[in-house]
Amino acid sequence: DQQVKQNSPSLSVQEGRISILNCDYTNSMFDYFLWYKKYPAEGPTFLISISSIKDKNEDGRFTVFLNKSAKHLSLHIVPSQPGDSAVYFCAAIIQGAQKLVFGQGTRLTINP
Amino acid sequence: DAGVTQSPTHLIKTRGQHVTLRCSPISGHKSVSWYQQVLGQGPQFIFQYYEKEERGRGNFPDRFSARQFPNYSSELNVNALLLGDSALYLCASSPGSRGKNIQYFGAGTRLSVL
Repeated sequence: DQQVKQNSPSLSVQEGRISILNCDYTNSMFDYFLWYKKYPAEGPTFLISISSIKDKNEDGRFTVFLNKSAKHLSLHIVPSQPGDSAVYFCAAIIQGAQKLVFGQGTRLTINP
Repeated sequence: DAGVTQSPTHLIKTRGQHVTLRCSPISGHKSVSWYQQVLGQGPQFIFQYYEKEERGRGNFPDRFSARQFPNYSSELNVNALLLGDSALYLCASSPGSRGKNIQYFGAGTRLSVL
């Protein structure tokens, strides 16, 4: 039962352009969402989060959008840089619960 | 500031053996969670401990157990290892046990079961 899904295993974007990573969820009880970035041989690094009471959160080049009615969130990176090449995980949590539920990840490659 | 540290980095075991993985949380963090990540998948929740008490358990067999010590460090134990236990085991710490507490991950322990 995959409650959080990232349907694109990989994405390739040219340096300087916008990267858009997508995530869908099925459990309407999720009320907090996070994006993590993972480089090889490192643990996931927290990137940005959004509460279900918001529809947008920005932090520098990173913006997360939440569409609750569609149970969909997306991460926008603009402009994309070579150092953004990594695997990106979407995660969701029910506040008051203990566990993060992760998607399968999307491998982002930024081409020079 | 030191982040979450895990040891060992890599481990090779054979089927039927037992393994202990260790985690030291970020200073001041009282909650530790364990996740298993198999190749091509996202991390799967195993346990959460807060103030030395188990606060959550994922869908893993009883061969998996954990504990948290007074200094908030934690151990994950896996008995009777199976080939399918080969994975990256991630530890995460957070200040509290619930909700918006961001979980910060260590680099993981890569376990190979032969």
